[in-house]
Amino acid sequence: QVQLVQSGAEVKKPGASVKVSCKASGYTFTSYAMHWVRQAPGQRLEWMGWINRGNGNTKSSQKFQDRVTITRDTSASTAYMELSSLRSEDTAVYYCARETISAAGVYYYYYGMDVWGQGTTVTVSS
Amino acid sequence: SYELTQPPSVSVSPGQTASITCSGDKLGDKNAFWYQQKPGQSPVLVIFQDNKRPSGIPERFSGSNSDNTAALTISGTQALDEADYYCQAWDSSTAIFGGGTRLTVL
Repeated sequence: QVQLVQSGAEVKKPGASVKVSCKASGYTFTSYAMHWVRQAPGQRLEWMGWINRGNGNTKSSQKFQDRVTITRDTSASTAYMELSSLRSEDTAVYYCARETISAAGVYYYYYGMDVWGQGTTVTVSS
Repeated sequence: SYELTQPPSVSVSPGQTASITCSGDKLGDKNAFWYQQKPGQSPVLVIFQDNKRPSGIPERFSGSNSDNTAALTISGTQALDEADYYCQAWDSSTAIFGGGTRLTVL
C-alpha cells in the first residue's frame, strides 16, 4: 500500500542540526512532489517547503529558507529535510506529505497533500 | 503575508450539519483544501480544489469557496468526525494553513 515512513524521534541541543528522512513505498516516488510540514505542540500546521517531482528543484517558506535543506535520493525513494541552527521553538512534529502538482507555463495546479508520513518528533532542549 | 482565519471551535449535535469557515483575502480566486486531524494522528485530506473529495472520503463531506470565504460542510455529522480541521491555500508559491477549528460532536 501507499505509505510514507519517517525516521524516529530526535532530541537535539540548541544550535545543532537535525535531518529527518521520509521513505516512500507503494507508488512511483518521482511522480509526486514531497512537502515538509511541521506542527509545534498545540499549534497549527506550518508548511516548510517542497521538492519538485521532476527535476528535484526545491522551494522553501521564507521563514525557513536560510535554515532548511530539502533533498531526495530517488534510488532509495527517500526524501530528507535538514533543519539547522535549532532553537527551542523548533520543537515540533515534522511531517512529510506527497502531492500531485502539475505545471502549465508559470502556473502550478495543486491536488492536495493526500498521503502523510506518521510524523517525527524533534525536541530541542539544552 | 497571506493569512487564513478559522473559528477556533464549532459544536454540532450528532446527525446535524456542521459548517466550518475559512476566510482570506480573495480566497475565492484560489483553490481551498481541507484536512482533518485527530489527536495524535497525521492529517488526512478531505477536500481538494474547493469541492472535490479524495477517494475514500465519505459523501457527507463537501466544500465550497467564493469571494473571501471557503467552507467545509459535514452533513449528518457522526461522532467519528470529531477532530481538528485545517484549511489550506497557496499564495505566491507558499502553502498557507489556517489556524484550525476544533469540531466537537455533542
